[in-house]
Amino acid sequence: EAGVTQFPSHSVIEKGQTVTLRCDPISGHDNLYWYRRVMGKEIKFLLHFVKESKQDESGMPNNRFLAERTGGTYSTLKVQPAELEDSGVYFCASSRWTSGDTQYFGPGTRLTVL
Amino acid sequence: AQSVSQHNHHVILSEAASLELGCNYSYGGTVNLFWYVQYPGQHLQLLLKYFSGDPLVKGIKGFEAEFIKSKFSFNLRKPSVQWSDTAEYFCAVTPTSNTGKLIFGQGTTLQVKP
Repeated sequence: EAGVTQFPSHSVIEKGQTVTLRCDPISGHDNLYWYRRVMGKEIKFLLHFVKESKQDESGMPNNRFLAERTGGTYSTLKVQPAELEDSGVYFCASSRWTSGDTQYFGPGTRLTVL
Repeated sequence: AQSVSQHNHHVILSEAASLELGCNYSYGGTVNLFWYVQYPGQHLQLLLKYFSGDPLVKGIKGFEAEFIKSKFSFNLRKPSVQWSDTAEYFCAVTPTSNTGKLIFGQGTTLQVKP
């Protein structure tokens, strides 16, 4: 069984530019989560999809962040326009069930905004 | 607000030493508890989890954790560490009533000297 994959692994952009991160969950996992770790801080929840619906987006920092999961398969997270404080590692995780299930993490995308 | 606190940010041990990493959480209700580990260059992966039942949980690679409800704690232990245990360890909780989002501690970097 293939694990959670994320693309790209690294992205370096300038302030004001747009970046789109992609996550492919494990096949059959309806639940998809995005998390972010800013350097030196804890991993923080951004949002949660169940299939194509946003179940919880309470962790999204502001309206510069837009997440989609069309068709309930892969998900994208777009940052537009990027700011310096958006730098960090963006993790995606997926699980079969919502409550009490193990979340399987992808390798993360390291985003650097200059 | 719900939070997780890991007491040690950086731990250095010699091989064969015993390990205990502290984790406390703040939430008054029922929780699911996790320890994740990230080895250098690898994904976050589940070490062990507690949902219910026996509060002493055994995980992979000889790790165990004990849930003490009265202390809101879920400390991770290993009787004898190996150089290959060098990694960053994350404690996480999810209230059973919520969407499944994980609330992480700050992480503890463990360095095991050969």
